Amino acid sequence: AQKVTQAQTEISVVEKEDVTLDCVYETRDTTYYLFWYKQPPSGELVFLIRRNSFDEQNEISGRYSWNFQKSTSSFNFTITASQVVDSAVYFCALSEANYGQNFVFGPGTRLSVLP
Amino acid sequence: EAGVAQSPRYKIIEKRQSVAFWCNPISGHATLYWYQQILGQGPKLLIQFQNNGVVDDSQLPKDRFSAERLKGVDSTLKIQPAKLEDSAVYLCASRPGQGASGANVLTFGAGSRLTVL
Repeated sequence: AQKVTQAQTEISVVEKEDVTLDCVYETRDTTYYLFWYKQPPSGELVFLIRRNSFDEQNEISGRYSWNFQKSTSSFNFTITASQVVDSAVYFCALSEANYGQNFVFGPGTRLSVLP
Repeated sequence: EAGVAQSPRYKIIEKRQSVAFWCNPISGHATLYWYQQILGQGPKLLIQFQNNGVVDDSQLPKDRFSAERLKGVDSTLKIQPAKLEDSAVYLCASRPGQGASGANVLTFGAGSRLTVL
């Protein structure tokens, strides 16, 4: 089955703290894609990053970094030196290449960065 | 490049009334999705189109929801009759066809917020 779990419902941090958002997935496919999307208070879902199942190289982009581990079916997202503008709901998503490319989203983690 | 357009942004109706939402995807995007996002939850797929054909509508409540994409471009999602539990944001998303640049990234519209009283 195709499933995404985000165990953290809400996280609050103080500005400049680092924060990691957890994502665990289940898939029946050998080729799949993992995503993080951000949903700010305005409501529009904004794409942040995509990883395919053959690329376990972790990535850093500015203050954002991602840790993909197939062995534990996890795709975690870290914000370094958080800012108030990072406050949003963050969704992890999974798309299976061989099963119609349906995108399944996790329940989301609400991040509040306090000044 | 213009984004995914949706209208209306907000709609308030009474239960048992009908409502329709419209989506215009990014030009050239072959695949279009409608998602329902209930407050506090992640988006849930309602229907997926590939051009003007349905790929997946297994989670669409077909007794009251219908969707079409007649010319493989714009799409309309209809609810008739609406129930209280249909209150949600209806998100449209699109992506290019296989082999195209960015084929595996969904771009979302701003959503249509429905309140059923």
